[in-house]
Amino acid sequence: GAGVSQTPSNKVTEKGKYVELRCDPISGHTALYWYRQSLGQGPEFLIYFQGTGAADDSGLPNDRFFAVRPEGSVSTLKIQRTERGDSAVYLCASSLGRNTEAFFGQGTRLTVV
Amino acid sequence: GQSLEQPSEVTAVEGAIVQINCTYQTSGFYGLSWYQQHDGGAPTFLSYNALDGLEETGRFSSFLSRSDSYGYLLLQELQMKDSASYFCAVRGGATNKLIFGTGTLLAVQP
Repeated sequence: GAGVSQTPSNKVTEKGKYVELRCDPISGHTALYWYRQSLGQGPEFLIYFQGTGAADDSGLPNDRFFAVRPEGSVSTLKIQRTERGDSAVYLCASSLGRNTEAFFGQGTRLTVV
Repeated sequence: GQSLEQPSEVTAVEGAIVQINCTYQTSGFYGLSWYQQHDGGAPTFLSYNALDGLEETGRFSSFLSRSDSYGYLLLQELQMKDSASYFCAVRGGATNKLIFGTGTLLAVQP
């Protein structure tokens, strides 16, 4: 595709529910990143895929968060038992390789009520 | 771990030059990047320095000193549309992950 696509753009969910956020990276990009951004803060690293495997998941805050990239393209970030503190914009980025420019999607704004 | 420090806010007037500094700490360093983010938008790439020195791209330049763990973004001929948040980001650690600073909010005044 032309750019990184994230769906949905907005998601409102009730506390305790399960949510899935999807990221379609730029075709051919092997590296994919998930970040979380709160108002007035920088993107907070969550997880980084190189191909199908998670190269670094050290930013996932706890075991309620999980991400997959089964075919090395589309990735899904999964959050179980959502809490109000999970409310943020979740950003996805992809890059051609490990040391190249990262292109960001427009993000999914998650609101937990 | 990795951490980055940059000023929280900078104000300048149209046509002026502004410098946004960034200091970083990381175990294993691959490069320093700069991203721009307008309110409500996605971060967009501005520049990348892997080696010491100055990289120039139009009105924007970026500098890196690996021995000082320091870099800066220089914006010249400021325009109102340059009002945005600017993030430095470092590639480092054992896995070469990309970590962002907390951002500098630049306000360009007429």
